[in-house]
Amino acid sequence: QSVLTQPPSASETPGQRVTISCSGSGSNIGSNSVSWYQQFPGVAPKLLIYSTDKRPSGVPDRFSGSKSGTSASLAIRGLQSEDEADYYCAAWDDSVNGPVFGGGTRLTVL
Amino acid sequence: QVTLRESGPALVKPTQTLTLTCTFSGFSVSTSGVSVSWIRQPPGKALEWLARNDWDDDKYYSTSLRTRLTISKDTSKNQVVLVMTDMQPVDTATYYCARIFCSNGCRVDFWGQGKLVTVSS
Repeated sequence: QSVLTQPPSASETPGQRVTISCSGSGSNIGSNSVSWYQQFPGVAPKLLIYSTDKRPSGVPDRFSGSKSGTSASLAIRGLQSEDEADYYCAAWDDSVNGPVFGGGTRLTVL
Repeated sequence: QVTLRESGPALVKPTQTLTLTCTFSGFSVSTSGVSVSWIRQPPGKALEWLARNDWDDDKYYSTSLRTRLTISKDTSKNQVVLVMTDMQPVDTATYYCARIFCSNGCRVDFWGQGKLVTVSS
């Protein structure tokens, strides 16, 4: 059972906007920044969002992140078929001195 | 260009000890804010952080697995090694070596390709 809670699945049609939620606690999301990862089947995760709302070079600005209290969200606007993947949230947890992850959300582009 | 690559056995028997080596390039594990971690992912399941070796040689472990894990680094070889004892079938997973960078928060910014380790007799 993962420390952070994400919905197991999400779906939306191309061109639309989808949000994925991530819920934690005071020792992780409540006191540290959040990162998001995109993972395609059979390959390693890729950093998508860091420091809650920053994008690494090369990540389209269709992807955005936010946080409020002990919850965070990833939003994807202008959904494309190639966005179909698993998405994981993570946050540093002060009680373990390491990152904790969400259970992952499988995004389906209908 | 940052790269990490995992190496080690693909198959181990129950109760055996697993040793995985991460060989990296493009950064120094002696740089402030940098650490190398091991993260695993059982088939079809979520990511789980296991251990990290910081730039100053501090080491931290997952609470649930700390008694079975040992992490160490060899700065001269650009390698980080993870030892996991008493392997069981539930430990079957893809094991990732990854760089964690901490500046305005911490994130896993680079990942290895992963090493699938199966525990079976």
